[in-house]
Parts: sequence; C-alpha cells; structure tokens
Amino acid sequence: DIQMTQSPSSLSASVGDRVTITCRASQNINTFLNWYQHRPGKAPNLLIFAASSLHRGVPSRFSGGRSGTDFTLTINGLLPEDFATYYCQQSNSFPHTFGQGTKLEIK
Amino acid sequence: QVQLQESGPGLVKPSETLSLTCTVSGGSMTNYYWSWVRQPPGKGLEWIGYIYDRVITNSNPSLKSRVTISVDMSEHQFSLKLSSVTPADTAVYYCARHQALAAAGSLYYGMDVWGQGTTVTVSS
Repeated sequence: DIQMTQSPSSLSASVGDRVTITCRASQNINTFLNWYQHRPGKAPNLLIFAASSLHRGVPSRFSGGRSGTDFTLTINGLLPEDFATYYCQQSNSFPHTFGQGTKLEIK
Repeated sequence: QVQLQESGPGLVKPSETLSLTCTVSGGSMTNYYWSWVRQPPGKGLEWIGYIYDRVITNSNPSLKSRVTISVDMSEHQFSLKLSSVTPADTAVYYCARHQALAAAGSLYYGMDVWGQGTTVTVSS
C-alpha cells in the first residue's frame, strides 16, 4: 500500500492567515492526489483533485501544489468556516489511502 | 443533485456481521464507483472498498476477507457487509461516489458526493 504522511497533525491559525499543509507519498503517485475538508459531524468535502485542480464550487483561496512526491494544500485568507480537518488521499492505486489528517484550529 | 444516505443498525455485537445500506437519490448509479469509508473515533479516514457496474469490487487488503459489497440498481442502493466484527470496527461509516474528473487531458477519481455518515458501535 502507498503510505501518505501529512504534516503537521494540527495547526493553530487566525482568521485571515495563510496556512500550508503538506502531504508526502511513500512512492511516486504522479498527480493522483486529492484533498478533502472534513468538519465535525459533516460529510467530507472534495476540495482539490489531480493535485492542483479545484473541484467545482470550491473557493479560489484554496490551492494545491506538487513537488515530486510532496504535495501541499494552501489556504489564503482563512475564513471561520475553514477551521476543520484536512485529509490528503492518493488515487494512483487501490487501496486509495488517506493521510492521517491535519486539524486546523482557531488560535 | 445526487444525495446519499446510509442506514443500518447502530449497535452490533462482537463476532457478528455489520450490515449497512446506502440509498442513492437524484441521479443514476451506472458508470460510477461506489465506495465505503470509515472513521474510527479519534482517528482518520479509512477506505473500505468499492463496487462498480454490479460485479466489479475491490476492498482494502486490511479488511478484504471480511468485506462484501453489493449493489441493487433497481432499488438505487449499495450495501456493505463486514463480518466477524470486533470493537476495533467501531466507527462512523460513510458511503461515497467516485467521480471521474478531467484535468490536463487525463481522468482522476475523487469522492465528490458523500453520505452524512452513520455511527456503528461494536459492543456486547
């Protein structure tokens, strides 16, 4: 199985801040990388696919990047509704493994 | 707009079989992968398995021998059975749809529609 390692596991930030979450794959997955937002008690929400493509309806303050097997999710100008847990997921091969999650909390 | 809704018992005894159903409304089930994902308390998301086109299935090797996924297109439902459960199978279980998404001339799969999740506790 491909292992996905996210960092940090938790992050404190303020409204208006810019934050970056990193996800590293244990082997080459090209750009087969998704990012999800998960709020407590809600269904996960697909934000980004193909490492950097915004899913429809996702605000442009979210962006994704890739360097080799390292991937980033950046949120520019945090809004109150962005405080949630974020997961990366590789879709290169089954099982489609998730990272362990990054909890973004209000400072 | 496609919506998914999980249903099933909230409490299952150890060694028994967990059975959940996901009802799909507002759209077709054909030509999509349909998955189950779970989240144990305090932990992250774990993909359980999928079904495609009635008979093509795949599941997480960590669960493979215990997982059965089936579909009833006429009822717009797909189901999960997880046998020989233990307290480690206690989790929120989600059903989800895989959508083929185009980018840079290729297709990528992401889970674009999810159910709200249902909590299953394994306890005697």
